[in-house]
Amino acid sequence: AQRVTQPEKLLSVFKGAPVELKCNYSYSGSPELFWYVQYSRQRLQLLLRHISRESIKGFTADLNKGETSFHLKKPFAQEEDSAMYYCALLSGTYKYIFGTGTRLKVLA
Amino acid sequence: DADVTQTPRNRITKTGKRIMLECSQTKGHDRMYWYRQDPGLGLRLIYYSFDVKDINKGEISDGYSVSRQAQAKFSLSLESAIPNQTALYFCATSGGQAGQPQHFGDGTRLSIL
Repeated sequence: AQRVTQPEKLLSVFKGAPVELKCNYSYSGSPELFWYVQYSRQRLQLLLRHISRESIKGFTADLNKGETSFHLKKPFAQEEDSAMYYCALLSGTYKYIFGTGTRLKVLA
Repeated sequence: DADVTQTPRNRITKTGKRIMLECSQTKGHDRMYWYRQDPGLGLRLIYYSFDVKDINKGEISDGYSVSRQAQAKFSLSLESAIPNQTALYFCATSGGQAGQPQHFGDGTRLSIL
């Protein structure tokens, strides 16, 4: 079954600490994975996609096919990073499967 | 960035009422989607459309219907609203090329009493 798992509903870290938001997937083909961020009362917006291998707002994510993971990382958390983060898998050409999300709270 | 516009932003209504949520986009995308977001459940797909003649059910389509009036417009209807349809509803679009991300509207917060 195709699935995206985000095991943490809430992750609290102190400002300046490293952050890792976990995402594991189950997919039989070659996955295309995304991270979306939703700031308070705002729309979901694309943070990054694995195919572009870029760093956005200091966040990076590496696809690990052996561990079927696509964890989101940032070396030094900032208060403005507090938001809801969703990992998503593109299944086939049209269907996006979302994880249940992780709420990140960065404490001062 | 108002490329994907949802109306209304908030709606409170009563059980049994018919409700329509509207979505319009200026991105020129063929693909449009409706999701609902519930705490702890993430986003779940209600319906999706590849063009005006191609509409498909998602994983939770029961109790909902859609209309693709034009490439730029995709409406979601609740024919007879019930309280467990209280949720945040998002419209999204995507381009037709492989691997394209989705672009979301601001959402409609719907409360059914």
